[in-house]
Amino acid sequence: DTGVSQNPRHKITKRGQNVTFRCDPISEHNRLYWYRQTLGQGPEFLTYFQNEAQLEKSRLLSDRFSAERPKGSFSTLEIQRTEQGDSAMYLCASSFADGGPLTFGAGSRLTVL
Amino acid sequence: RKEVEQDPGPFNVPEGATVAFNCTYSNSASQSFFWYRQDCRKEPKLLMSVYSSGNEDGRFTAQLNRASQYISLLIRDSKLSDSATYLCVVNNTSGTYKYIFGTGTRLKVLA
Repeated sequence: DTGVSQNPRHKITKRGQNVTFRCDPISEHNRLYWYRQTLGQGPEFLTYFQNEAQLEKSRLLSDRFSAERPKGSFSTLEIQRTEQGDSAMYLCASSFADGGPLTFGAGSRLTVL
Repeated sequence: RKEVEQDPGPFNVPEGATVAFNCTYSNSASQSFFWYRQDCRKEPKLLMSVYSSGNEDGRFTAQLNRASQYISLLIRDSKLSDSATYLCVVNNTSGTYKYIFGTGTRLKVLA
């Protein structure tokens, strides 16, 4: 297993377009997390899954954002009708279900023009 | 009040210096604590977990004070390669498994 994989690594899009990011977690991990990070800030929690169940969503996750983990393996994060304020690094992380540390992927950097 | 607070720095220290960072958290029910390191434009990477009795890993020492709700990170004999942002992370495991990050503390070690 090569760790948490995210793609695409970079995405430039025009305002109003939809974008989708994919995350492949470490296969043994049953928890998967999405975070958003902007310059000078720490990662902000967006949502997490235990297996295929989405257990919590942040208030930051407006109705334009949706995340899925259909088979309890990979996850997708879709942003509809992108806005310039959505420009950020979107980080995916996974962990065991024991409160242990997160392992992050390299992130997907979104630029909305 | 933010759930996890850190001094953003930057801390500029000479090589060989000892530097300490603190982080406070608001939820007394928090169960797990970590320090992560993040290099510029890279993902956060686990530096060390923080245990109740305190723990050490080489030049790095982490401590937890539950009564005062803070954790600390001490770096001894700083190296140029220690320059990075250090993120404090708290996992509120009572009913939710959400990991909350501080804004990070920037460290620059100078030659």
